[in-house]
Amino acid sequence: QITLKESGPTLVKPTQTLTLTCTFSGFSLSTNGVGVGWIRQPPGKALEWLALIYWDDDKRYSPSLKSRLTITKDTSKNQVVLTMTNMDPVDTATYYCAHRNWDQLLNWFDPWGQGTLVTVSS
Amino acid sequence: DIQMTQSPSSLSASVGDRVTITCRASQSISRHLNWYQQKPGKAPKLLIYAASSLQSGVPSRFSGSGSGTDFTLTISSLQPEDFATYYCQQSYSNPTFGQGTRLEIK
Repeated sequence: QITLKESGPTLVKPTQTLTLTCTFSGFSLSTNGVGVGWIRQPPGKALEWLALIYWDDDKRYSPSLKSRLTITKDTSKNQVVLTMTNMDPVDTATYYCAHRNWDQLLNWFDPWGQGTLVTVSS
Repeated sequence: DIQMTQSPSSLSASVGDRVTITCRASQSISRHLNWYQQKPGKAPKLLIYAASSLQSGVPSRFSGSGSGTDFTLTISSLQPEDFATYYCQQSYSNPTFGQGTRLEIK
């Protein structure tokens, strides 16, 4: 059974850097084809993909947020870390991590972590 | 980025109704299209992957179809637990989601 859980601060101040950790079990990030993504959802709004890291350490970022994001993995700890710099109140959202499953060239997010609400406020 | 447009944005329906939600991509994405269900305060749950493949454990009243730019999610007979928000997501390139369709009880 695959599970993921996000952890990190619930409140950050504007201009600070946010660091979120996704701790997972049931799969290895060293297995061919596997990936972990981060997705966020502002209150009452739609889902927005942020970043994705693959088993081979390939990394992809949302073009609109690329300059502010860094995604890394620690395979030995079964963790993926997302950092977002220069936080702003508009970044207030629930942040999810999710397992990237795949079949040939097709892929999808399943399952997802429970999410963690991050509020940006002074 | 590939833009995903869902319609309608919201929908009122009754238990037992047949419901269809549409998702359109701004360019062809073949079958790289997934559907998720999200209930209030919960994480999204995968329903359909690769446009038409039913995720294990998902009731058979859910189905997906389409390829290229136009896709549909159909619920054949709405059940009370189906009232939720539904999102499409393309995986052809960097992932993008539709804006969501909120399915409400009439």
